[in-house]
Amino acid sequence: DVKVTQSSRYLVKRTGEKVFLECVQDMDHENMFWYRQDPGLGLRLIYFSYDVKMKEKGDIPEGYSVSREKKERFSLILESASTNQTSMYLCASSPSGSTADTQYFGPGTRLTVL
Amino acid sequence: AQKITQTQPGMFVQEKEAVTLDCTYDTSDPSYGLFWYKQPSSGEMIFLIYQGSYDQQNATEGRYSLNFQKARKSANLVISASQLGDSAMYFCAMDIRVDNQGGKLIFGQGTELSVKP
Repeated sequence: DVKVTQSSRYLVKRTGEKVFLECVQDMDHENMFWYRQDPGLGLRLIYFSYDVKMKEKGDIPEGYSVSREKKERFSLILESASTNQTSMYLCASSPSGSTADTQYFGPGTRLTVL
Repeated sequence: AQKITQTQPGMFVQEKEAVTLDCTYDTSDPSYGLFWYKQPSSGEMIFLIYQGSYDQQNATEGRYSLNFQKARKSANLVISASQLGDSAMYFCAMDIRVDNQGGKLIFGQGTELSVKP
């Protein structure tokens, strides 16, 4: 079974702090994604990566950056956390670039910024 | 622009009955994929079913089936014989290709399904 893990289920940070959200997948997938989920808005793509050291902006990249130094690990970085970044963050991976490839999700990290 | 729309914020269904969750999409790409995911209160997104734009038959996976009407640009999820464990948020999503490297998903707003005993 595909397994995607995220470093924390719940996280509380203060405004201005630098926040790292880690995601690891164990199925050698090329693609990895970071989404945020807010009520009534569904999931929105922040950043994605098709390969090591590659990254692409999604629909809402402002205030975020990412790092992918190893194939299995994709990190989301909030350089200076703000209260409007309080949200559920979901990481996903998929095996290739075709339209038929399902994305597999981690359990999510619920981040609260005070 | 590509878009997914789910117009039902919440729905109720009696246990053992069938329920249809609506999803419409908009794209000008000839090749795309449509997905349904389930998100229980635990938060994890669970893949349910997939339909490709060129698939001739509607996809089925156990109690889940996808009513794909290409001309209407709709991809409704049908759950037969609802169970209490089906209570969850359901998301419709579409896979679009970016620079010939597909795999980017766009999601609808979600429908919260509650199954009554």
